[in-house]
Amino acid sequence: GAVVSQHPSRVICKSGTSVKIECRSLDFQATTMFWYRQFPKKSLMLMATSNEGSKATYEQGVEKDKFLINHASLTLSTLTVTSAHPEDSSFYICSANPLTGGQVEKLFFGSGTQLSVL
Amino acid sequence: AQSVTQPDIHITVSEGASLELRCNYSYGATPYLFWYVQSPGQGLQLLLKYFSGDTLVQGIKGFEAEFKRSQSSFNLRKPSVHWSDAAEYFCAVGASAGGTSYGKLTFGQGTILTVHP
Repeated sequence: GAVVSQHPSRVICKSGTSVKIECRSLDFQATTMFWYRQFPKKSLMLMATSNEGSKATYEQGVEKDKFLINHASLTLSTLTVTSAHPEDSSFYICSANPLTGGQVEKLFFGSGTQLSVL
Repeated sequence: AQSVTQPDIHITVSEGASLELRCNYSYGATPYLFWYVQSPGQGLQLLLKYFSGDTLVQGIKGFEAEFKRSQSSFNLRKPSVHWSDAAEYFCAVGASAGGTSYGKLTFGQGTILTVHP
């Protein structure tokens, strides 16, 4: 089946630094990828929709300048947490739609990235 | 706006017992409904999904779910729970194809399942 690879799986960084998380579709092309955030003991919340070749669409309340999204190719989307602070510590998960069909049922999730900001 | 409610935050069952996890949704049209399972520190694994047709859907690992439009519910069931089923379970609703919300999922709060030997 289709695989979405997310890297790194875990990252610890100092406050004020930036962290980049990659989401790759390994065996399919995806014009659209989604980034979710999961707070401890909470559900997953959609942060933004990453669109290949164009700007990402952010959900209400998500800071565009804090969470930079780049979708430069059909197999890679990156989320950069800029000037990270402890409150940005969370579990981040991406998902991707294959290019063909594109229906929700073909949505595949990455394994997630646990970000801890000290 | 679509929403999903999982009334039970934490459920404990004995191994071999039956299981039902509740999920209620709010959506303006026919929803796309999903159940995912997440083990600690892991990503999401799709258990099953409903789009249309037979309201009783079968998934992996012996799970099934029934879509009841009149009750706006999509409860997950398993006749006999195994210790390896201990995890967190998320119900999600997605918009149908063609709309601007297409591909986005709204998740419930999750239900943590503990299995006693």
